[in-house]
Amino acid sequence: DAGVIQSPRHEVTEMGQEVTLRCKPISGHNSLFWYRQTMMRGLELLIYFNNNVPIDDSGMPEDRFSAKMPNASFSTLKIQPSEPRDSAVYFCASSQTRDSYPHFGDGTRLSIL
Amino acid sequence: GESVGLHLPTLSVQEGDNSIINCAYSNSASDYFIWYKQESGKGPQFIIDIRSNMDKRQGQRVTVLLNKTVKHLSLQIAATQPGDSAVYFCAETFYNQGGKLIFGQGTELSVKP
Repeated sequence: DAGVIQSPRHEVTEMGQEVTLRCKPISGHNSLFWYRQTMMRGLELLIYFNNNVPIDDSGMPEDRFSAKMPNASFSTLKIQPSEPRDSAVYFCASSQTRDSYPHFGDGTRLSIL
Repeated sequence: GESVGLHLPTLSVQEGDNSIINCAYSNSASDYFIWYKQESGKGPQFIIDIRSNMDKRQGQRVTVLLNKTVKHLSLQIAATQPGDSAVYFCAETFYNQGGKLIFGQGTELSVKP
């Protein structure tokens, strides 16, 4: 069965550019999460959705970051404008219910030059 | 300037030996705990979970122990194999917020053939 699908797998862009990361959760899962992984801070939750509605965005670093979930099978995380300190691996995860563990995608490795 | 990354604790074991990976969690109110395995270039992969009403749970070759008194989790891997080499993370949360995880820093397991 298909897991969580993220695209692109790698993104290299110059600072100031807009970056859009995409995620397709596992079919039937109704919670979706965006995490960021860096060497300095480890794995951190940025935002999570339940039934396509943002529930907690307290981890979003600043207004340059935004996330949407227009339907149950798609979510985006956008950074505009991007900065070198945004360089990280961004993971999307989904879970079937609130009382189950999340399944992670293989991430998008983002490098901002 | 140059950023300084975290140095993960490393555990090196001989193939066939048992491995024990430890984790201290932060919130005494957390009631759901998960161990993940992360291989290079991939997302975290679920290994085993445990709720706070249990102190031990066994899976295939893995056992998780929970000591709520000292807020400590451990993951035991029996007969460690080269394919077990990876970074292992513990995560804590509340059972009805299954995906809103707080991750530990991780431990790198290296298995020598």
